[in-house]
Amino acid sequence: EDQVTQSPEALRLQEGESSSLNCSYTVSGLRGLFWYRQDPGKGPEFLFTLYSAGEEKEKERLKATLTKKESFLHITAPKPEDSATYLCAVQTNTGFQKLVFGTGTRLLVSP
Amino acid sequence: KAGVTQTPRYLIKTRGQQVTLSCSPISGHRSVSWYQQTPGQGLQFLFEYFSETQRNKGNFPGRFSGRQFSNSRSEMNVSTLELGDSALYLCASSPLGGLRDEQFFGPGTRLTVL
Repeated sequence: EDQVTQSPEALRLQEGESSSLNCSYTVSGLRGLFWYRQDPGKGPEFLFTLYSAGEEKEKERLKATLTKKESFLHITAPKPEDSATYLCAVQTNTGFQKLVFGTGTRLLVSP
Repeated sequence: KAGVTQTPRYLIKTRGQQVTLSCSPISGHRSVSWYQQTPGQGLQFLFEYFSETQRNKGNFPGRFSGRQFSNSRSEMNVSTLELGDSALYLCASSPLGGLRDEQFFGPGTRLTVL
């Protein structure tokens, strides 16, 4: 069974304190790995898609990387507005639009 | 370009009732997927529609059903509501629903079953 695990469940950082979020997966054929950001009361907002091991993508203070078993979301010098829940999801051979999500990492950045 | 819209945003129902939720995808998007989000289970895939046909289905009971219209708008129906159906129901659209297509989510419908 396809499985996605995110760690830590929650993370508290001081403004400017860099860190990484982890997403490990066990799937039957990875087609793509997606990172989303979700703010309270809103739907997930798309951040990145990664397709093959070694791939990296960057957007402002965020950088996503992918290996054969896991993905990392690196947050460099975070700001309070980066506070949100970060969700990782995989797209597998069982269905292109059937995303399997992890339970997310709740990030709180204090000023 | 307008994003994905969902109506209503909030619903309160009682056990045994049925409910219909609506989703309008981004203009030009033909694939619509539905997800249930709960604190305990996170986001779980319900089903996906493309060109009025259900292409993928998650592991939910038959009480959960959906359909898609010719203009790509989609509805989701839950019959005989149970307390455990209380959740945020999210709709996502993508252009063709194919490999490497990104999904764009709506704000969700918060369903409370009493």
